[in-house]
Amino acid sequence: GEDVEQSLFLSVREGDSSVINCTYTDSSSTYLYWYKQEPGAGLQLLTYIFSNMDMKQDQRLTVLLNKKDKHLSLRIADTQTGDSAIYFCAEKDGNTGKLIFGQGTTLQVKP
Amino acid sequence: ETGVTQTPRHLVMGMTNKKSLKCEQHLGHNAMYWYKQSAKKPLELMFVYNFKEQTENNSVPSRFSPECPNSSHLFLHLHTLQPEDSALYLCASSQDQGGGTYEQYFGPGTRLTVT
Repeated sequence: GEDVEQSLFLSVREGDSSVINCTYTDSSSTYLYWYKQEPGAGLQLLTYIFSNMDMKQDQRLTVLLNKKDKHLSLRIADTQTGDSAIYFCAEKDGNTGKLIFGQGTTLQVKP
Repeated sequence: ETGVTQTPRHLVMGMTNKKSLKCEQHLGHNAMYWYKQSAKKPLELMFVYNFKEQTENNSVPSRFSPECPNSSHLFLHLHTLQPEDSALYLCASSQDQGGGTYEQYFGPGTRLTVT
């Protein structure tokens, strides 16, 4: 079945760039998403990319997609303490429309 | 605020209790979802409703019973739960269900503890 994998933890210093990586297995993925979850809150949609795109930039966020390797990354420039959260990668199954989520990457930003 | 609200935010219930979780969306969406988020596990899709009709039941035990009276409201009725059902239950909505972008917007969740 489909699978989405993420590393579980990333620690960076304030002001540095953060890169969160994700790999997926479903070749029929149409859209790939990044969600952010702060403590005690639900998931907030950050950005998404269509599967025929290589890159999408939105202010401090850059999404890179390597469809051949089924690898997705989220780069956060000038990381701030407010960026500390769990980041979830999700792919949309092109056949069913379901979202398949990774386990989430906890981003810790040190002052 | 995402436009999706959930009540209660926290719930503690015994295994013999019956309770209900409520979700309301103010986005004019037609599809609504229930997810279960357990520690150290990916989000698990439980149910999907599209235009008030259930379109997905992801092999969820019958002690969880969803109800969607209209496109804006979704309930999850709980009875005779087990301690392993303790989790964060998230509701989401999207414009429609299917292969288009149709981003899903999540509520804050209900933290359920079964004692």
